[in-house]
Amino acid sequence: SQQGEEDPQALSIQEGENATMNCSYKTSINNLQWYRQNSGRGLVHLILIRSNEREKHSGRLRVTLDTSKKSSSLLITASRAADTASYFCATDGETSGSRLTFGEGTQLTVNP
Amino acid sequence: GAGVSQSPSNKVTEKGKDVELRCDPISGHTALYWYRQSLGQGLEFLIYFQGNSAPDKSGLPSDRFSAERTGGSVSTLTIQRTQQEDSAVYLCASGIAGGRGKNIQYFGAGTRLSVL
Repeated sequence: SQQGEEDPQALSIQEGENATMNCSYKTSINNLQWYRQNSGRGLVHLILIRSNEREKHSGRLRVTLDTSKKSSSLLITASRAADTASYFCATDGETSGSRLTFGEGTQLTVNP
Repeated sequence: GAGVSQSPSNKVTEKGKDVELRCDPISGHTALYWYRQSLGQGLEFLIYFQGNSAPDKSGLPSDRFSAERTGGSVSTLTIQRTQQEDSAVYLCASGIAGGRGKNIQYFGAGTRLSVL
C-alpha cells in the first residue's frame, strides 16, 4: 500500500471554517511535506517539516508531526474558496533518498 | 523559463504506438523526477535523475518505459507500444536534491496521455 495515506479522502466546508487533513506513513522519514494541486495543474509545495520538528506554521497553514504515531496533520485556518484543491503529503527517508512517496490526497472543497 | 515546462500538455495516441514526453526543468536544478498520476489518485514514482549519477529506475512499471536526461537538463520519457492502462497524467519535477531539508520539488503542469 502507499507510504502516505491521507484522510479524509474528501472534505467539504464553508468559507471561513478551518480544514484539517491527516496523513499517516509507514517507514522512518527525514522530512514530510505537504503539496497542493489545483485541478489540471501540477503540485505546488506548501510546507516542509523535518523529523525532529513537531509543529510548523506558514501563514494560515499549521503542520504537526508525530513521529511516534507516524502521522501528520495540515490545518488551514479561515479557509477561502481559493483553497479548493487536492492536498497531498509526501515523505522522504533514509531508504528512499530524495525520492518522495506521496499519499492518495484529500480533496478539499471550500464553499463560498 | 521560470518554472518546469512539460510538452505536450495533452497527447492522444492509439494503442501500440510509441510516445515521447518532454520535460524542461528549472535551470540549475540537479535533480529531475518523473511521476505518473491516474485520475483521482496520488503520484506514482517512475524515475529519478541526480546529476551524473546512474538514474533510479526502480519505479518504472515495465520495460516499455524508459527515460533519458541529456546534458543534465532536458529529459524525455518514452513509452513504447502504449497500452490503455498507460493513460494518466505524467508529471515532471525538478529540485536541488541532497541533504536534509533540501528536497522541495517543483512540478510542471503535466502531460495528459490518453491511449485509445
